[in-house]
Amino acid sequence: DTAVSQTPKYLVTQMGNDKSIKCEQNLGHDTMYWYKQDSKKFLKIMFSYNNKELIINETVPNRFSPKSPDKAHLNLHINSLELGDSAVYFCASTGGLSSYNEQFFGPGTRLTVL
Amino acid sequence: RKEVEQDPGPFNVPEGATVAFNCTYSNSASQSFFWYRQDCRKEPKLLMSVYSSGNEDGRFTAQLNRASQYISLLIRDSKLSDSATYLCVVNAMNTGFQKLVFGTGTRLLVSP
Repeated sequence: DTAVSQTPKYLVTQMGNDKSIKCEQNLGHDTMYWYKQDSKKFLKIMFSYNNKELIINETVPNRFSPKSPDKAHLNLHINSLELGDSAVYFCASTGGLSSYNEQFFGPGTRLTVL
Repeated sequence: RKEVEQDPGPFNVPEGATVAFNCTYSNSASQSFFWYRQDCRKEPKLLMSVYSSGNEDGRFTAQLNRASQYISLLIRDSKLSDSATYLCVVNAMNTGFQKLVFGTGTRLLVSP
């Protein structure tokens, strides 16, 4: 009965590789997000999709490409991984169009680039 | 200047103490405000929303001062289980969508 799930939980890879992180929510929400939490624990939004359409795209390198095959899934593909990409990546979702809606976060994917 | 600023702490308090966290935000057009809680190596979870009139949920009281662009969280009768990082969060979008901007968090350690 997991609400927001992410795979994998841990990802260790070499610089220059390409990797993907998957996210799924079973809450029936329309909006999904990707966040990055760096080594200083600072959590920052990267992307947001509403009903498979991109609505927020922060100043993220082009190497990061989100894909939403349907409104329950938002995957993140990263090309040419760099050391600075090492972080915890959280997926989140929210329903409705109230500015006070709660965002539900997945458990995070800890990415380590060697 | 950071969009959302918090004292990182840590705040070390004994069980039963009252502790208060403050936060300031720079975007005066921000529409909604929250406190999220994040345990070590876990995901953030909503603790409470912060309304203009102030609101209370059990031992937790949140207040908002729009004129000063200031948000506070008061925890009464601290429990060991309150030990966590408390994230001050501001919604920077004034449409129905959310663009949450997080502070760096204030770490609370409650000791026996």
